[in-house]
Amino acid sequence: NAGVTQTPKFRILKIGQSMTLQCTQDMNHNYMYWYRQDPGMGLKLIYYSVGAGITDKGEVPNGYNVSRSTTEDFPLRLELAAPSQTSVYFCASRPTSYEQYFGPGTRLTVT
Amino acid sequence: ELKVEQNPLFLSMQEGKNYTIYCNYSTTSDRLYWYRQDPGKSLESLFVLLSNGAVKQEGRLMASLDTKARLSTLHITAAVHDLSATYFCAVDMSAGNTGKLIFGQGTTLQVKP
Repeated sequence: NAGVTQTPKFRILKIGQSMTLQCTQDMNHNYMYWYRQDPGMGLKLIYYSVGAGITDKGEVPNGYNVSRSTTEDFPLRLELAAPSQTSVYFCASRPTSYEQYFGPGTRLTVT
Repeated sequence: ELKVEQNPLFLSMQEGKNYTIYCNYSTTSDRLYWYRQDPGKSLESLFVLLSNGAVKQEGRLMASLDTKARLSTLHITAAVHDLSATYFCAVDMSAGNTGKLIFGQGTTLQVKP
């Protein structure tokens, strides 16, 4: 199993550009999550999904969108990038038990 | 407001010493997690605590949960340099076990030889 994979690893965006962060898991987990981590801080939940076709907002959803058309994939969309979205983005997945498994992260800079 | 607070935020200690990291949270929950993060890396799960009085141990680390006090501790015994990292606690405050975690700010541990 590859676990949770994220692409790209790094990205620099200009203000106003759009992009999609990809997240895929091969563990057949129902639950998936997107977090952001600002420098020196803990993670904050952006969006989550409890299964294909079902998504909901977390703590900091503004400026982001998600979709979940398959169990494996949970892409995060930034429509109009702003400097405040400069962060490291982590995707995670979880089976019906409790522990979340994190991907390697995507480091995004918006200038 | 849902809050998770860790104390201390930074800890510099000598090898061989013991210390405790505290994690306080603001509302009822019986699901608490400890993670480790090395610089520039992702999060690694350390402990899952799912009931009042739960205690888990792995090597030099021991975690406990007191849901009545809304407090978890991560105790480090005889620290070694390899334990240098940032440690996060996270609390699941969702009503339906959806795994919506609220993270603490993290405690950066530096173990000096």
